Amino acid sequence: QSALTQPASVSGSPGQSITISCTGTSSDVGSYNLVSWYQQHPGKAPKLMIYEGSKRPSGVSNRFSGSKSGNTASLTISGLQAEDEADYYCCSYAGSVVFGGGTKLTVL
Amino acid sequence: EVQLVQSGAEVKKPGESLKISCKGSGYSFTSYWIGWVRQMPGKGLEWMGIIYPGDSDTRYSPSFQGQVTISADKSISTAYLQWSSLKASDTAMYYCARREAPGAFDIWGQGTMVTVSS
Repeated sequence: QSALTQPASVSGSPGQSITISCTGTSSDVGSYNLVSWYQQHPGKAPKLMIYEGSKRPSGVSNRFSGSKSGNTASLTISGLQAEDEADYYCCSYAGSVVFGGGTKLTVL
Repeated sequence: EVQLVQSGAEVKKPGESLKISCKGSGYSFTSYWIGWVRQMPGKGLEWMGIIYPGDSDTRYSPSFQGQVTISADKSISTAYLQWSSLKASDTAMYYCARREAPGAFDIWGQGTMVTVSS
């Protein structure tokens, strides 16, 4: 399995909304609704933000939402806050696990 | 509190062996898969493999098959990742994580930094 494709970086101002895309293939992202998203701050372990495409674990802000269209999954963060600045990784399960390359979110 | 606690940082020489650990607590350790993820310095996450401590069923990423061994001792709620002969390219942070659902890792260890240098 090849890594999923994410933009290297995205940016937005406080209060704005941003979307991070995650493109796979019809064999992974397109076939299953099993995409998850992780937030990682520098020097910290990743944190699960979205799973099974659009579900939020307990304790994760409803400013974070997930969706999918075809072979591309997306993470949207609304009402950007300074603490959202981090690296974000998508992950797909299709019999095996594959991560995206990661996207650095900068809050301007 | 549900948590995974990993063993401390290691500094090794090329060719040496190593086994790092990940101890679960606060939940039924035998009921959840435990995965291992590598993060090389300044790079992204790479899935290495996963084990079900209940019966030691283990799956490896093709990229890591034959390069590492994943095991578990359910009597002490601990999963392991081991190398028989380290290389400089194994220098990385290694995380264990509990799988809540396929592809969804909800609890992560704090990470174990492995440095391989002559």
